[in-house]
Amino acid sequence: KAGVTQTPRYLIKTRGQQVTLSCSPISGHRSVSWYQQTPGQGLQFLFEYFSETQRNKGNFPGRFSGRQFSNSRSEMNVSTLELGDSALYLCASSLAWTGTYEQYFGPGTRLTVT
Amino acid sequence: ELKVEQNPLFLSMQEGKNYTIYCNYSTTSDRLYWYRQDPGKSLESLFVLLSNGAVKQEGRLMASLDTKARLSTLHITAAVHDLSATYFCAVDMRAYSGGGADGLTFGKGTHLIIQP
Repeated sequence: KAGVTQTPRYLIKTRGQQVTLSCSPISGHRSVSWYQQTPGQGLQFLFEYFSETQRNKGNFPGRFSGRQFSNSRSEMNVSTLELGDSALYLCASSLAWTGTYEQYFGPGTRLTVT
Repeated sequence: ELKVEQNPLFLSMQEGKNYTIYCNYSTTSDRLYWYRQDPGKSLESLFVLLSNGAVKQEGRLMASLDTKARLSTLHITAAVHDLSATYFCAVDMRAYSGGGADGLTFGKGTHLIIQP
């Protein structure tokens, strides 16, 4: 069974640009969550989608947005990039947003903003 | 606001020794996860703890959950170099919020170095 995949794996952008990251969950998983990992702030929750609906959103500015498609694939978008957005962005999928289902993490996209 | 605190944050130990990593959290939850992260890699799920008194073991690692004390422990027995990594605990509040909780809340991680 294929795991969570994320594309691209590495990305270099310039301040002010925007970026779109993609996540394909494990087959059959309908919940997709996104996390940002930085050395200073650690792992922080961005948002969670289930059945194309955003269920939860973390404490991030509106520049961070996401969506989920009918096949459960998800994208996150960051507009007007800032240097502080440099981070490892992790996507996780689970069978559902509630219940006892654990989250399985993808390899991450490392975004560098210059 | 849910707070998850791990300690120690950094641990250097010798092979063959035993040690425990502690994870305290501030709000009622009976779902706690432990993850391992190697440098530059993603998170690997180690344990899922779903009830008070839950104990899980895999090889030299054993995790437990005490929901009344809001405490989980990750115990390392007879450490080997291959266990060197950063270990995270994470608390899941989604079942208690009707969907309004903030996903998983992670501790800051314990950077574990095991020296030969």
